[in-house]
Amino acid sequence: DSGVTQTPKHLITATGQRVTLRCSPRSGDLSVYWYQQSLDQGLQFLIQYYNGEERAKGNILERFSAQQFPDLHSELNLSSLELGDSALYFCASSGRDRETQYFGPGTRLLVL
Amino acid sequence: AQSVTQLDSHVSVSEGTPVLLRCNYSSSYSPSLFWYVQHPNKGLQLLLKYTSAATLVKGINGFEAEFKKSETSFHLTKPSAHMSDAAEYFCVVSDPGGTGGFKTIFGAGTRLFVKA
Repeated sequence: DSGVTQTPKHLITATGQRVTLRCSPRSGDLSVYWYQQSLDQGLQFLIQYYNGEERAKGNILERFSAQQFPDLHSELNLSSLELGDSALYFCASSGRDRETQYFGPGTRLLVL
Repeated sequence: AQSVTQLDSHVSVSEGTPVLLRCNYSSSYSPSLFWYVQHPNKGLQLLLKYTSAATLVKGINGFEAEFKKSETSFHLTKPSAHMSDAAEYFCVVSDPGGTGGFKTIFGAGTRLFVKA
């Protein structure tokens, strides 16, 4: 158990809908990262937040957005969902050793 | 630009024999390099990390990796495979991304099969 929690574990929704994925980092970690894992694209870095501020951006679509709240939990919002957004979404956090990331168990999203 | 290439998508070994999972990288900086393992339906777990201290890095569960700058390689090895090692392994490069962030690039993964 890494100490990173993600909810929900599974999510089934329809095309065009909007969903929110939630992540709680390890106690004391200020950085949160979001990743998408799909069969065709592999593991893709989406975005990083540090203490509430965006710090690095990867291959995140404009339909997707994220934020980190004062209590350090983070949410990833996915809107106008398409079939191709079906994937496993991971959150990770890091602390004083900012490069070492600890991953949550993931949220499996299925868009029908 | 950063990139990571895992040279084998699948590796199959017999239990008790050595494991070699190959990784080449490119980076504009002096990168940090990692190996992560993902067991089926689980999150990723850090195996080991290289950050320019020692070129031979020891990780958990008997794994180790050697950083070879001249070959831009960071291959993962284990002397003797166990059935429980069957999983997907990811080589990762991390570079400072500016504004204090890190850009993290994952390799495509190598699935390790261990035969009894």
